[in-house]
Amino acid sequence: DVKVTQSSRYLVKRTGEKVFLECVQDMDHENMFWYRQDPGLGLRLIYFSYDVKMKEKGDIPEGYSVSREKKERFSLILESASTNQTSMYLCASSFGREGEYEQFFGPGTRLTVL
Amino acid sequence: QKEVEQDPGPLSVPEGAIVSLNCTYSNSAFQYFMWYRQYSRKGPELLMSIYSNGDKEDGRFTAQLNKASQYVSLLIRDSQPSDSATYLCAGGETSYDKVIFGPGTSLSVIP
Repeated sequence: DVKVTQSSRYLVKRTGEKVFLECVQDMDHENMFWYRQDPGLGLRLIYFSYDVKMKEKGDIPEGYSVSREKKERFSLILESASTNQTSMYLCASSFGREGEYEQFFGPGTRLTVL
Repeated sequence: QKEVEQDPGPLSVPEGAIVSLNCTYSNSAFQYFMWYRQYSRKGPELLMSIYSNGDKEDGRFTAQLNKASQYVSLLIRDSQPSDSATYLCAGGETSYDKVIFGPGTSLSVIP
């Protein structure tokens, strides 16, 4: 089974702190994604990566950065956390090959910024 | 117009009912579609993917795709209380493009 793990299930941080969210997948997937999910707004793509050291902006990249130094690991960084970044953060990965586009999600990190 | 649309519900049905969840999309370039189930406070879980017109069955679940009508559906037979969740429809173009998710339909199956 594909396994996508995220470093924390729940996280509480203060405004202005630098926050790191880690995601690891064990299926040698090429593509990795970071989303946030908010009531009434659905899943919104923050950043994605289709190869090591490659990254592409999604729909809402402002206030976030990412790092992919190894194929299995994709990190989301909040440079200076703000209260409007309180949300559920979801990581996903996929092969991205012909006929294998399905994305597999981690359990999510519920981040609260005070 | 959003690229992927779903009726948000909530939808409430008795146990054992047949449920049809519907999804429409506006991007005719979408090549593949996925249905996810998401329980409260958990990550989405892939239920089914479908690439070709027609039906695809997996146990109590059947996905249907009609590219001409730009319509995807998920049929749940003999619904169970454990099917109570939000169901997300998603579509994508190619492996290098992002997947677009619908807002989800909330389903409650009453014992």
